[in-house]
Amino acid sequence: EAGVAQSPRYKIIEKRQSVAFWCNPISGHATLYWYQQILGQGPKLLIQFQNNGVVDDSQLPKDRFSAERLKGVDSTLKIQPAKLEDSAVYLCASSLVATSPYEQYFGPGTRLTVT
Amino acid sequence: KQEVTQIPAALSVPEGENLVLNCSFTDSAIYNLQWFRQDPGKGLTSLLLIQSSQREQTSGRLNASLDKSSGRSTLYIAASQPGDSATYLCAVRGSGNTGKLIFGQGTTLQVKP
Repeated sequence: EAGVAQSPRYKIIEKRQSVAFWCNPISGHATLYWYQQILGQGPKLLIQFQNNGVVDDSQLPKDRFSAERLKGVDSTLKIQPAKLEDSAVYLCASSLVATSPYEQYFGPGTRLTVT
Repeated sequence: KQEVTQIPAALSVPEGENLVLNCSFTDSAIYNLQWFRQDPGKGLTSLLLIQSSQREQTSGRLNASLDKSSGRSTLYIAASQPGDSATYLCAVRGSGNTGKLIFGQGTTLQVKP
């Protein structure tokens, strides 16, 4: 079974530029999550999708971050314009459904550096 | 608001030693607690998941315990090996069981040969 795929793996941009990350969850997983992990910290949930609907985006900086999950499969996370403090690893995870005991499976992440 | 803390932030031990990693959380109303491993440049790998009704879980050389009333969990690693070197993260799932995980900041473990 293929795992969660993310691209690109690394991205370097200048502040005020825009960037987009892509995630392909495990086939058949209805729930998709985007987490932000700043160096030295644990991941923080940015947004959670159930199929193509948003369940939780309470910690998403909506003035600059946006995300979509068209057709309930792939998802894209966008930052526009980027700030220095957005430098982090962006992790995508998926689960069959949101509730326990269904575990979340994580992708390798995209490391973003904003200069 | 749930907060998760892990102590120590970093740990270096010689190969073969038994060690304990600590995790504490402020709100005891959790659905479950999970321990993850993160290797540099990689995603998170789930190690052990303890439901709120359980006291411990074991997998090979790993044993995780949960004391919900005191807001504490420990991950015990027996006979550590250099391959155990990684960052270990604990995460709690709130009682709402919506899927959201709240993570600690992690403990970076180095096992020296």
